[in-house]
This record gives sequence, C-alpha cells and structure tokens, in this order.
Amino acid sequence: QQQVKQSPQSLIVQKGGIPIINCAYENTAFDYFPWYQQFPGKGPALLIAIRPDVSEKKEGRFTISFNKSAKQFSLHIMDSQPGDSATYFCAASRTGNQFYFGTGTSLTVIP
Amino acid sequence: NAGVTQTPKFQVLKTGQSMTLQCAQDMNHNSMYWYRQDPGMGLRLIYYSASEGTTDKGEVPNGYNVSRLNKREFSLRLESAAPSQTSVYFCASSEEGTSGRAFTDTQYFGPGTRLTVL
Repeated sequence: QQQVKQSPQSLIVQKGGIPIINCAYENTAFDYFPWYQQFPGKGPALLIAIRPDVSEKKEGRFTISFNKSAKQFSLHIMDSQPGDSATYFCAASRTGNQFYFGTGTSLTVIP
Repeated sequence: NAGVTQTPKFQVLKTGQSMTLQCAQDMNHNSMYWYRQDPGMGLRLIYYSASEGTTDKGEVPNGYNVSRLNKREFSLRLESAAPSQTSVYFCASSEEGTSGRAFTDTQYFGPGTRLTVL
C-alpha cells in the first residue's frame, strides 16, 4: 500500500512556467514532509521541507503548499528553468521514523 | 569532502550469486541507510543503522543483510541474488545529534549502484 501518492508521473512546461506537483497521504501521524530533487545518475537531494504547523514555505523559487485537512501538499516551482529538469519526489514521515516516498515526477522544462 | 560514496557503480549478477554493496561517508554522521529505487515505486527503505553497532529492518528487508562496520561504513549484502532484486540501490547518511534516533536530520544520498540480476 502506497503511503504517499504523487502526481503527475511526468510534466512538461515551458521556461518561465510554474509546474505543480501534488502529493497526498493518509497517515495523520506524519509530521514532516520533504521534497527531494534527483538528477539523472545522481542520488536524491533535499530541496525543501515543511511541517504541518504552517501552510506554506518558500525557499527561493520553490514553494510548498500544505493542506492539513485535505492531507495534501504540493510543490510549486516559480519561473522554472531548464536546469530544474529533474525527477522530484515527495516524502512523509513521523519524526524519528522512516520516510515514505512518493513514486516521483519527471519534470522537463523546455527552453 | 566526498560525502557519501558507493561502490560499485554498476554490477551484473546471475541468479544465486552473492555480492556486497559498499557505502562510506566522511561527514561523521551517526545514522546510515540503504534504499532501493524501482520505476513507479519511489524509494523504499531496506535497512538502517541509527548509530554504530545497531541495525534495524526497514520496509523491504527480505533477501538482504547489512553490516555497520564502523561509523563510516555500512554495507549491504545479497546472499543469493534474485531477478526481483534488480534495482538501483542508494546509501544515505544523516547526522543525528545526541538523540540516538535515526530519521531526524537531513539525509544525504550517495550516487547509487545500478544492479541487474539475470
């Protein structure tokens, strides 16, 4: 059973567009929601993370929106660039316990 | 500072063969992890080590064993490889302070080992 459901599987946007990747979870005990970025041939790297005490977090061009009542969170990439082309994974965990990852979204930003 | 290193980068095995995947980190981190990544499945935790001398099962431990050799090194062993173990394997580490608990700090991933079992 997938603990975290991620969509879409793939996404193509024009440079400057705002891709949005969505994740949903069921376990209300989860209290940490990170996003990872993975380039081909590399390991995932932490991009940005949020805890449920806030509804939004911004770091540079990356924003997480969090809806606790809907048990959903999403990643928005402002002014997307070709260098943002990568696979993005959401994850969820209860502090001090294992992470559950989404299935990944392959993002392509066309120049 | 190399971060997390993994060897080998690629490996092809025949069913029934054994092998050990090596992982080392030079960040003086306490916790280390092994994940597998399969298409359409995301990353799944195989085993982890919260601190030197301890190991625990993750979500998908069957068919694997691990050894936390010292604080720097955490190896993953396949005793009798099966085609279902064809995957990309990632090692990760995290600092964890004095809590002794894993999963509380940022995990840093190695570049991965691509394993094919025929």
